[in-house]
Amino acid sequence: GDSVTQMEGPVTLSEEACLTINCTYTATGYPSLFWYVQYPGEGLQLLLKATKADDKGSNKGFEATYRKETTSFHLEKGSVQVSDSAVYFCALSTEGGGSNYKLTFGKGTLLTVNP
Amino acid sequence: NAGVTQTPKFQVLKTGQSMTLQCAQDMNHEYMSWYRQDPGMGLRLIHYSVGAGITDQGEVPNGYNVSRSTTEDFPLRLLSAAPSQTSVYFCASSRWGELFFGEGSRLTVL
Repeated sequence: GDSVTQMEGPVTLSEEACLTINCTYTATGYPSLFWYVQYPGEGLQLLLKATKADDKGSNKGFEATYRKETTSFHLEKGSVQVSDSAVYFCALSTEGGGSNYKLTFGKGTLLTVNP
Repeated sequence: NAGVTQTPKFQVLKTGQSMTLQCAQDMNHEYMSWYRQDPGMGLRLIHYSVGAGITDQGEVPNGYNVSRSTTEDFPLRLLSAAPSQTSVYFCASSRWGELFFGEGSRLTVL
């Protein structure tokens, strides 16, 4: 079955440091890939997505590139802020027809950014 | 915009009790789903619905029932609560490839 593996946390960084959170996947077919973010006390919200190989998703300074050859979708940010402290989830969907709504999630990575 | 609204936010149950977690969305989304979030486990899909009158099982459906009589509402029923159902439950809706989550319902079963 489909699965998502993301790097174990927690990750603690100083403000303005570079961030990489690794994510690899196993899926049948050609999945769509997502990063969701969960701020303390809130539900998850979509951060970025990519629907086909070599696509780059970006939002709020975060980027991730869909790498089919390495089955990866690593999340990167060049300079993190305290407000980026949250749990980040990598996810995939193999549902088609423009309705990528049945997601398989990774276990989540807690990021703490210190001033 | 209310988005996805879940109630209650917190609930404590005794083993064997039943209860319903409510979920309502005002975005006219066809797809709705329930996930549970456990430490170190990520989110796991319990049940989902692709439209009114249609539901299906996800990864961890045992001990839960759902129904979808309207587009707006998708309640999750715990038939006989067990300590293993202690978790945070999230309802989500989707229309074009993005899930919109509620704020979660934290359930403790003693």
